[in-house]
Amino acid sequence: TQLLEQSPQFLSIQEGENLTVYCNSSSVFSSLQWYRQEPGEGPVLLVTVVTGGEVKKLKRLTFQFGDARKDSSLHITAAQPGDTGLYLCAGAENSGGSNYKLTFGKGTLLTVNP
Amino acid sequence: ETGVTQTPRHLVMGMTNKKSLKCEQHLGHNAMYWYKQSAKKPLELMFVYNFKEQTENNSVPSRFSPECPNSSHLFLHLHTLQPEDSALYLCASSQGSYSNQPQHFGDGTRLSIL
Repeated sequence: TQLLEQSPQFLSIQEGENLTVYCNSSSVFSSLQWYRQEPGEGPVLLVTVVTGGEVKKLKRLTFQFGDARKDSSLHITAAQPGDTGLYLCAGAENSGGSNYKLTFGKGTLLTVNP
Repeated sequence: ETGVTQTPRHLVMGMTNKKSLKCEQHLGHNAMYWYKQSAKKPLELMFVYNFKEQTENNSVPSRFSPECPNSSHLFLHLHTLQPEDSALYLCASSQGSYSNQPQHFGDGTRLSIL
């Protein structure tokens, strides 16, 4: 099983600030997904990146997949309190045949203070 | 409403009890998953079912017994659990277990072992 390291583990910022969180591995993934999990709820998918070097934007969130498909970053512009949550990255690896499984990082817990 | 419903939301049980967790998905998906989420650890994949067939058992102790009677329902039967099994148990589903398929999570069952 491949490992995903997320950094930082915790991040507390003021509303309006920008931030970047990272997801790194020494191994190549077929695709990478980012999820956000709020307290008392399950993770919710934000984006899937598939191609090396791919950049996807979701309003104030920008996701990038590394050229070698080993790492990814999430940049949030002008953070808002509603962005508060646990951000999880998950890499897809082949588990046999056409089946894939997700390996999750530990997550970055983001708090945006008003 | 996430499309994936888990019951119960909270469960407290003694080490000698037998209980079951239930998951139901209303999304027409073919693959269903059980994950364990503990503090300071990444989400751990436990079991994967694809078209009702188990395709992944991630070295889970036999005190956890999954059951998938059809593509919409997934159970996790619990028997003689240990205190270290206290965690949030998340169910997820996806349209097939392909690399770029997003997983839709339920809100989990918070399990506490006394």
